[in-house]
Amino acid sequence: DIQMTQSPSTLSASVGDRVTITCRASQSISSWLAWYQQKPGKAPKLLIYKASSLESGVPSRFSGSGSGTEFTLTISSLQPDDFATYYCQQYNSFSPNSFGQGTKLEIK
Amino acid sequence: EVQLVESGGGLVQPGGSLRLSCAASGFTFSSYWMHWVRQAPGKGLVWVSRINSDGRSTTYADSVKGRFTISRDNAKNTLYLQMNSLRAEDTAVYYCVRDGRRDGSDMDVWGKGTTVTVSS
Repeated sequence: DIQMTQSPSTLSASVGDRVTITCRASQSISSWLAWYQQKPGKAPKLLIYKASSLESGVPSRFSGSGSGTEFTLTISSLQPDDFATYYCQQYNSFSPNSFGQGTKLEIK
Repeated sequence: EVQLVESGGGLVQPGGSLRLSCAASGFTFSSYWMHWVRQAPGKGLVWVSRINSDGRSTTYADSVKGRFTISRDNAKNTLYLQMNSLRAEDTAVYYCVRDGRRDGSDMDVWGKGTTVTVSS
């Protein structure tokens, strides 16, 4: 099965900062990667699908890139509402889906 | 309004069984793949299982394979997760999730979750 590794596990940043979260797959997944945001006590929210496509209604400060085994989620200018935990998730038609372990984005 | 409402969670003893249900509304349920995702207290998201739109293709995480069964009733707009031989490590909030692109690749609508606790 495909393993997903996110880095860093925790990230401290300030409002207005540009931040990047990385996700690595244990084997190539082409562009079959999604990113989610989760706030405490809430269900996750889809941000990015197919590595770089912005889900409808998601602010344009969120962007995704990458293919193969290395992917990034970038928030161009952090807003107070963005402090949350972020997860990547892969899809492969021949194996189970899987999530990364999560990256907690904290206020510095 | 697109909505997923889970039910069936509760307290069960190790080795016991439970069936979760997920009632879908506001979209054409029979056109979408569906997933179950779980989250243990204070831990990350763990994908559990997926099923294609007609129910003929299913996939499971290794941790639940042989113990859990995903199914659907498109006439009733309902997704199920039959959980047998439950273990303490199955304790989690279980989310019913719609597949966004109808191909198994991402998850765009999430229910609020139902809590399963496995304990003696």
